[in-house]
Amino acid sequence: ELKVEQNPLFLSMQEGKNYTIYCNYSTTSDRLYWYRQDPGKSLESLFVLLSNGAVKQEGRLMASLDTKARLSTLHITAAVHDLSATYFCAVHPRNSGNTPLVFGKGTRLSVIA
Amino acid sequence: NAGVTQTPKFRILKIGQSMTLQCTQDMNHNYMYWYRQDPGMGLKLIYYSVGAGITDKGEVPNGYNVSRSTTEDFPLRLELAAPSQTSVYFCASSIVNSGANVLTFGAGSRLTVL
Repeated sequence: ELKVEQNPLFLSMQEGKNYTIYCNYSTTSDRLYWYRQDPGKSLESLFVLLSNGAVKQEGRLMASLDTKARLSTLHITAAVHDLSATYFCAVHPRNSGNTPLVFGKGTRLSVIA
Repeated sequence: NAGVTQTPKFRILKIGQSMTLQCTQDMNHNYMYWYRQDPGMGLKLIYYSVGAGITDKGEVPNGYNVSRSTTEDFPLRLELAAPSQTSVYFCASSIVNSGANVLTFGAGSRLTVL
């Protein structure tokens, strides 16, 4: 059974600081997804990582994938309040885009002044 | 485009009642999913469908049923509601494109069973 583990599950960070969220998974997969969920809202796609070494960046967020380590990271640079949300990583149980995603429990990020 | 539309947004049920959560998408996606989200537990897959007429169980299917008679609609039926089914339900749809299967989620349906 595929396990997708995120850490930390809760993160409170000051504005302007840097931090990294980790996503470990237990199966062979070369595609991983990051989603964002604002409080009381739905999930929105952030990044799609489709190969070993893939790196995607948008604004203050950068995601990377190391398939050999079965690890993805979401790095936050100079955090701002608008980044406060819950971030989920998700992986396919088998290395196929046709199988439903399994989600981690999410990392609730709170950026404080 | 409306994307993925779920109704109702909120519902309170009594134990033992039944109801259907509606989900429709207008993007011609072949894949559709139902997830439930409990606090601190991420999303768990209830049922999914790879196309009209085809459905399959996910991780937590007990107490639920689905049907997929058209590409657009994927209703989720709760039979004999129980307090354990209190949750937020998300419908999603997707299409595989260049190896990526990015889900588009509906706004969610918050269900409380008392």
